[in-house]
Amino acid sequence: QAGLTQPPSVSVGLGQTATLTCTGSSRNVGDQGASWLQQRPGHPPKLLSFRSTTRPSGISERFSASRSGNTVSLTITGLQPEDEADYYCSAWDSSLSVSVFGTGTKVIVL
Amino acid sequence: QVKLVESGGGLVQPGASLRLACAASGYTFTSFPLHWVRQAPGKGLEWVAVLSYDGRNKFYADSVQGRFTISRDTSKNTLYLQMNSLRPEDTGLYYCVRDTDFDHWGQGTLVTVSS
Repeated sequence: QAGLTQPPSVSVGLGQTATLTCTGSSRNVGDQGASWLQQRPGHPPKLLSFRSTTRPSGISERFSASRSGNTVSLTITGLQPEDEADYYCSAWDSSLSVSVFGTGTKVIVL
Repeated sequence: QVKLVESGGGLVQPGASLRLACAASGYTFTSFPLHWVRQAPGKGLEWVAVLSYDGRNKFYADSVQGRFTISRDTSKNTLYLQMNSLRPEDTGLYYCVRDTDFDHWGQGTLVTVSS
């Protein structure tokens, strides 16, 4: 059950914009869309977006997500120190009937 | 508000069994699928299993297929994960998570498999 591909880390300056990517296949991201999760150290993950582009209530507008084919992206604008965390994507694989996670991207705020 | 509280973790030897529980509250228990997701120390997230909203369908990761069983008790609004033949690589924090969008997470319960 291959996972989704994410870059290991992204370093961006305070107040700048970070763009994270997650690549899957037509069986998962391309078919069912994907969710983005933020995990701060010592805490469980928190949902940032789902169905590729929808932001749950209470999530800052600084987080926006999009999809193009088998790749989803998460854009974080006006980076703040509290945005330093691990970010994971996830998707349902309709062919295998399993959920898959991305390898995770660590966002470092300079 | 939605609340998921895991319990049942602990230190066990390889080959042993353990049953995790997840008490759900704040929503209609039978309206959403529930997942178990685990995270080894210092590692990423790994999906383990899901039980459909109606309790009819269960799916597992290859790594636990045949050893773990997901189930629920609707009278107690509780999800379970029966883990048999535990291996050191099963060590990690086990989270109970609502819906395939993963919209609500518990705090997790720690399972350590070591001799």
